[in-house]
Amino acid sequence: NAGVTQTPKFQVLKTGQSMTLQCAQDMNHEYMSWYRQDPGMGLRLIHYSVGAGITDQGEVPNGYNVSRSTTEDFPLRLLSAAPSQTSVYFCASSPYDRNEQFFGPGTRLTVL
Amino acid sequence: AQRVTQPEKLLSVFKGAPVELKCNYSYSGSPELFWYVQYSRQRLQLLLRHISRESIKGFTADLNKGETSFHLKKPFAQEEDSAMYYCALLFASGGSYIPTFGRGTSLIVHP
Repeated sequence: NAGVTQTPKFQVLKTGQSMTLQCAQDMNHEYMSWYRQDPGMGLRLIHYSVGAGITDQGEVPNGYNVSRSTTEDFPLRLLSAAPSQTSVYFCASSPYDRNEQFFGPGTRLTVL
Repeated sequence: AQRVTQPEKLLSVFKGAPVELKCNYSYSGSPELFWYVQYSRQRLQLLLRHISRESIKGFTADLNKGETSFHLKKPFAQEEDSAMYYCALLFASGGSYIPTFGRGTSLIVHP
């Protein structure tokens, strides 16, 4: 099992550009989520999904879109990148929402 | 509203000293609490959760509902315990359970 994979590992964007951060898991987990990690702010939930076709907003959803067309994939889209979105992004999955979360390796994003 | 507070950004101790990483929570429902750890260049991973009541790598954490705390303790710190530690609370929202994390405590264990 690869577990939770994220691509790319690093990305530099210019303000206004759009991009998609990829997340995939091969554990057949129903629950998936995206976090951003900022110094002194801990992990903040951006969006989450309790199953294919179902997504919902977390604590800091503005500027991000998600979709969940399959159980395995949960991409995060930045519509128009802003410097405030410079962060490390983590994807996580879990068999269901009350269980331990399994994290990906993270994507370090810099927006200039 | 639900909240997790980790009052210490940084905790610095010497090897062999006792360690306590504090976590306080605010939640009107029945709390489910976790400790996650992130070692250097590794993924975030679960350290322990309160319902399992087990000791992992010598760490324990007891849920104290009266003090709304879930402090992480280890009697004798080791250098390999140096890492970032996050306390997390699961709260019920709209039919799902959503985790909220504290801001994290960086533990440094000196030789």
